[in-house]
Amino acid sequence: SQQGEEDPQALSIQEGENATMNCSYKTSINNLQWYRQNSGRGLVHLILIRSNEREKHSGRLRVTLDTSKKSSSLLITASRAADTASYFCATDFVGSNYKLTFGKGTLLTVNP
Amino acid sequence: GAVVSQHPSRVICKSGTSVKIECRSLDFQATTMFWYRQFPKKSLMLMATSNEGSKATYEQGVEKDKFLINHASLTLSTLTVTSAHPEDSSFYICSATLKGWSSGNTIYFGEGSWLTVV
Repeated sequence: SQQGEEDPQALSIQEGENATMNCSYKTSINNLQWYRQNSGRGLVHLILIRSNEREKHSGRLRVTLDTSKKSSSLLITASRAADTASYFCATDFVGSNYKLTFGKGTLLTVNP
Repeated sequence: GAVVSQHPSRVICKSGTSVKIECRSLDFQATTMFWYRQFPKKSLMLMATSNEGSKATYEQGVEKDKFLINHASLTLSTLTVTSAHPEDSSFYICSATLKGWSSGNTIYFGEGSWLTVV
């Protein structure tokens, strides 16, 4: 399976702490994206990182990409209760005709 | 920003009937839309790629005769679940990309549609 694998599957932290989620994949990618999903809702695009990029920032989000290890991480700093959601990485594999393949997701719970 | 709308957000239908879910791009033209299925607490599984004016491309294992996809205009794709069964109950999400899709374009997701077959 080319599906990305996130770890941990679930993460529970206190407000103000940082949350780090990891994603691994198996084949070469064009880009990798991170999405957020609140329970029972659609997906919200957070950040896209291209295969030739190593790090990107957006507000409290920091994404890294290590193509040699075929892995990415999403860091949420100074977490808030409102950050509670599932986070998915999605990869656009080379040769996939631009289709996204989603990982299994990390359920983040930020306790007030 | 770009918005994708799905309708209905929730639908309950009887086993054996068909149900249609619409996916609309509200302020942009989408030559390509994608349909996903998501079981509770699971990831999204791509069902098919919907191309405006042509037949949809289905992923392996997805029954094209059961999940009919029509993309008749640049702003609308529909998914029809035919002869629905309880095992078809799931969360269905569509996504759309701006015209001229290529790698790296942002994909916009709808809010999803909960289907319950009783």
